[in-house]
Amino acid sequence: GAVVSQHPSRVICKSGTSVKIECRSLDFQATTMFWYRQFPKQSLMLMATSNEGSKATYEQGVEKDKFLINHASLTLSTLTVTSAHPEDSSFYICSASYRGRGTDTQYFGPGTRLTVL
Amino acid sequence: GQQLNQSPQSMFIQEGEDVSMNCTSSSIFNTWLWYKQDPGEGPVLLIALYKAGELTSNGRLTAQFGITRKDSFLNISASIPSDVGIYFCAGSESNFGNEKLTFGTGTRLTIIP
Repeated sequence: GAVVSQHPSRVICKSGTSVKIECRSLDFQATTMFWYRQFPKQSLMLMATSNEGSKATYEQGVEKDKFLINHASLTLSTLTVTSAHPEDSSFYICSASYRGRGTDTQYFGPGTRLTVL
Repeated sequence: GQQLNQSPQSMFIQEGEDVSMNCTSSSIFNTWLWYKQDPGEGPVLLIALYKAGELTSNGRLTAQFGITRKDSFLNISASIPSDVGIYFCAGSESNFGNEKLTFGTGTRLTIIP
């Protein structure tokens, strides 16, 4: 099956710093990537949809200036958490899909655990 | 954002028992998906449903897409220890699962020794 990787798998940073998380589709070209956030013992909440070469579409309540998304190529999307604060500590998961694969679905990465001190 | 309601929220069963969980929505979805998530990992797709009324199996797992397109259920037969984890349903307004997904609240499955 399709493989999506994320890097880093976990990161600890100080409050006020910025953190970049990478999401890569390893064996297919992803026209669309999605970024989700999951707080402990909660469900996945979609943050934004990212299409290659265009600006990301953010869900209501997600600050686009705080969570910068770049989808520069068909295999790479990045999420940058700017000026991170403890309340941004969460599990960030990306997924990647390729439109046109028929009844296919999106493939999820293993997630990145962000802890802001 | 919108969430799908899953029930039960948690289940404690003995190995070998059958499991049933369901997912309901106030709005229609055209695709229903079931995922399993292990601690500290991303969700893994179990079953995808694309047509109202569809019943699909994947080994010991069976899922159905409700005829009203507002619900779905997942059954696991003869549970084994590796079934432990959190199960999420997800709905898509598109006819494929590669579009924006809305996730359910999750059902945590625990197997009692």
